[in-house]
Amino acid sequence: EIVLTQSPATLSLSPGERATLSCRASQSVSSYLAWYQQKPGQAPRLLIYDASNRATGIPARFSGSGSGTDFTLTISSLEPEDFAVYYCQQRSNWPGWTFGQGTKVEIK
Amino acid sequence: EVQLVESGGGLVQPGGSLRLSCAASGFTVSSNYMSWVRQAPGKGLEWVSVIYSGGSTYYADSVKGRFTISRDNSKNTLYLQMNSLRAEDTAVYYCARVEWFGELSSYFDYWGQGTLVTVSS
Repeated sequence: EIVLTQSPATLSLSPGERATLSCRASQSVSSYLAWYQQKPGQAPRLLIYDASNRATGIPARFSGSGSGTDFTLTISSLEPEDFAVYYCQQRSNWPGWTFGQGTKVEIK
Repeated sequence: EVQLVESGGGLVQPGGSLRLSCAASGFTVSSNYMSWVRQAPGKGLEWVSVIYSGGSTYYADSVKGRFTISRDNSKNTLYLQMNSLRAEDTAVYYCARVEWFGELSSYFDYWGQGTLVTVSS
């Protein structure tokens, strides 16, 4: 089973700063990785798919990179609405899907 | 506009049953892969089940044999029948549409708002 490990667990930053979130897979997932954003009381929202493709309507300040086992979600300049929990996800253990444990981006 | 609206959650005793519904609009459920994902209070996301457009169904090991996913094409609605419920099934249950680019390239592009299931005596 492929395990996704996200780091750090919590990221404390100020609006306008750059956020760098990491997701590491226990074995290669090629480029088949997605990122989701979840705000309190809301459903997750797809941000990035296939490691680097922005989903429909996602602002350009969100970008994804990586392949194989190491992936990064970058928020170039944090807006107030970006403070949330972020999850990575991949298709594994056919036919299932797995998620990382999440990274919380909080206001410093 | 794509919309997913879940209902049917509530408080149920251990060993009890509950059926969740997810009414879809803006697209056809039967033409898509549809899934249920849950989130225990304060925890992360856990995939639960999927139904393919062709009707095949699959489950996470944690719910296999207890939960059944189905759909009603005439109502454009997805269901999750949950039997033999346990305390560890307590969670917000989301229905989600699967965006399918390929066997490995598949993601959840639309989500409902979720419905809370609490299993407790």
